[in-house]
Amino acid sequence: NAGVTQTPKFQVLKTGQSMTLQCAQDMNHEYMSWYRQDPGMGLRLIHYSVGAGITDQGEVPNGYNVSRSTTEDFPLRLLSAAPSQTSVYFCASSYSSGRLTDTQYFGPGTRLTVL
Amino acid sequence: GQQLNQSPQSMFIQEGEDVSMNCTSSSIFNTWLWYKQDPGEGPVLLIALYKAGELTSNGRLTAQFGITRKDSFLNISASIPSDVGIYFCAGLQVRNTGKLIFGQGTTLQVKP
Repeated sequence: NAGVTQTPKFQVLKTGQSMTLQCAQDMNHEYMSWYRQDPGMGLRLIHYSVGAGITDQGEVPNGYNVSRSTTEDFPLRLLSAAPSQTSVYFCASSYSSGRLTDTQYFGPGTRLTVL
Repeated sequence: GQQLNQSPQSMFIQEGEDVSMNCTSSSIFNTWLWYKQDPGEGPVLLIALYKAGELTSNGRLTAQFGITRKDSFLNISASIPSDVGIYFCAGLQVRNTGKLIFGQGTTLQVKP
């Protein structure tokens, strides 16, 4: 298993540009989430999905869109990038039954800079 | 939003020393997780705790789910240089939602 994969690893955008951060997992996990990590603030939940076709907002959803058309993929879209979205973005996934739903596995991250 | 207060923010210790860090909240959590993050990598799960009072070990790491369900502790015994990294606590208030809340992290440096 490749686990949770994210692309690209690094990205630089200009203010106002749009882009999609890709996330995929091959563990047949139902739950998938997106977090952003900023210095001194830990990780904050942006959006999450409990299964294909179902998404919901986390703590900091503004400026981001998600969709979940398949179990494997959970892309994060920045509609109009702003400097405040400069951050490291992590995708995570977990099983959907019992205690295992609470143990999330993280991808390697995408480092995004918005100029 | 809901915060987890993690302390200390950073630690600089000598190889061989024991380390303790903790996470507290004003709210009840039903699951506590401890992660380690190496530079340039995503967090890696170390220990998961599901029941108040639970004490769980993973090698030199031991973590406890506080009886009040508002705190958790992580201890590392006999630290080694590869323990260097950022340690995060994370909690779920409602199980099976995937809505993890993270602490701010503890940066650990180990002097050989």
